[in-house]
Amino acid sequence: AQRVTQPEKLLSVFKGAPVELKCNYSYSGSPELFWYVQYSRQRLQLLLRHISRESIKGFTADLNKGETSFHLKKPFAQEEDSAMYYCALRRGGYQKVTFGTGTKLQVIP
Amino acid sequence: NAGVTQTPKFQVLKTGQSMTLQCAQDMNHEYMSWYRQDPGMGLRLIHYSVGAGITDQGEVPNGYNVSRSTTEDFPLRLLSAAPSQTSVYFCASSNLDTQYFGPGTRLTVL
Repeated sequence: AQRVTQPEKLLSVFKGAPVELKCNYSYSGSPELFWYVQYSRQRLQLLLRHISRESIKGFTADLNKGETSFHLKKPFAQEEDSAMYYCALRRGGYQKVTFGTGTKLQVIP
Repeated sequence: NAGVTQTPKFQVLKTGQSMTLQCAQDMNHEYMSWYRQDPGMGLRLIHYSVGAGITDQGEVPNGYNVSRSTTEDFPLRLLSAAPSQTSVYFCASSNLDTQYFGPGTRLTVL
């Protein structure tokens, strides 16, 4: 069975400090990894996918198959980054997605 | 293009009552799903559908029914509401790349 683990429920950082939101997964095949974000009073939306290898709003995430991790990073946190972040996994070729329990990022001014 | 819409936004039920949460999408996506979001538990998949007429159970299907008579609509039915079903419910539809979420329905069961 596939599983996604986000060990931190809450992560508080000061504005301008680096951010790393941790995500580990267990799946033996070829997974597709995603980060979704939910800002206050807004719907969940895709932040980035490992396949696209892009940077969105200054965030990046690298899939490390050896460590089965897909940590989300940003060098300098902004107040508008405060939100709930979910890591998600999809089995290759399937549509069903498994989400982690989420990490609330709080950026302190 | 409205994306994914959900109604109602808020609902209060008494234990034992039934209701249907509506979900519709206008993106012609085959795959649709229902999640519930609870503090500390993230999003848990209730039911999903890979196309009209095809549905399957997710992680937490008990107490919920779904049907998919059209590509656009994927309603979620609570047959006999229980306080444990108090949650925020999200519907999503997806293409091969991305899931698109609705705004959510906040349900309280007293």
